[in-house]
Amino acid sequence: EDQVTQSPEALRLQEGESSSLNCSYTVSGLRGLFWYRQDPGKGPEFLFTLYSAGEEKEKERLKATLTKKESFLHITAPKPEDSATYLCAVQAAAGNKLTFGGGTRVLVKP
Amino acid sequence: SAVISQKPSRDICQRGTSLTIQCQVDSQVTMMFWYRQQPGQSLTLIATANQGSEATYESGFVIDKFPISRPNLTFSTLTVSNMSPEDSSIYLCSVEGRFLTSTDTQYFGPGTRLTVL
Repeated sequence: EDQVTQSPEALRLQEGESSSLNCSYTVSGLRGLFWYRQDPGKGPEFLFTLYSAGEEKEKERLKATLTKKESFLHITAPKPEDSATYLCAVQAAAGNKLTFGGGTRVLVKP
Repeated sequence: SAVISQKPSRDICQRGTSLTIQCQVDSQVTMMFWYRQQPGQSLTLIATANQGSEATYESGFVIDKFPISRPNLTFSTLTVSNMSPEDSSIYLCSVEGRFLTSTDTQYFGPGTRLTVL
């Protein structure tokens, strides 16, 4: 069974204080690893897809990396508007189902 | 990405009643899915909505409780039947398919927040 574990569960940062979120996974043949951002009361917003170990993708202050067992989402010099829950999900090669982790709630204080 | 809308955005229902949630996409998509997000938790796939055939349900979810329709490539409905307070959740539809910017990325609707009293 595919499993995704995210840590920490919650993260409080000062504005400008860089940090990393972890996503550990086990999957029977990785088709893709996905990062989403979810604001309160809204649906998840797509950020990145990573397909193979060593791959990296960047978007503004966010950078996602992938190894064979985990992915990291680095937040560089965060701003209060980066406050959200960040979700990691894996999709196995055999199907379309996304298996989500529990998420990391990030709060960036000015 | 596609523009996905859901109706209603929220509802408060009485125990034992049923609610049908609609998901509309502004372009034709190959795949449509329904997820549940219980309070304080992450997303769990309920089923894949198949166009022209019965939905494919995940373990723990059954058609009698969550009947799903998908009459065409842009629309699907999820019904939550005979509701109990344990059904209070956010219900989200997602889409994936070859007509979108990325063929293997699921894009989510805004969700329907359901409270059952």
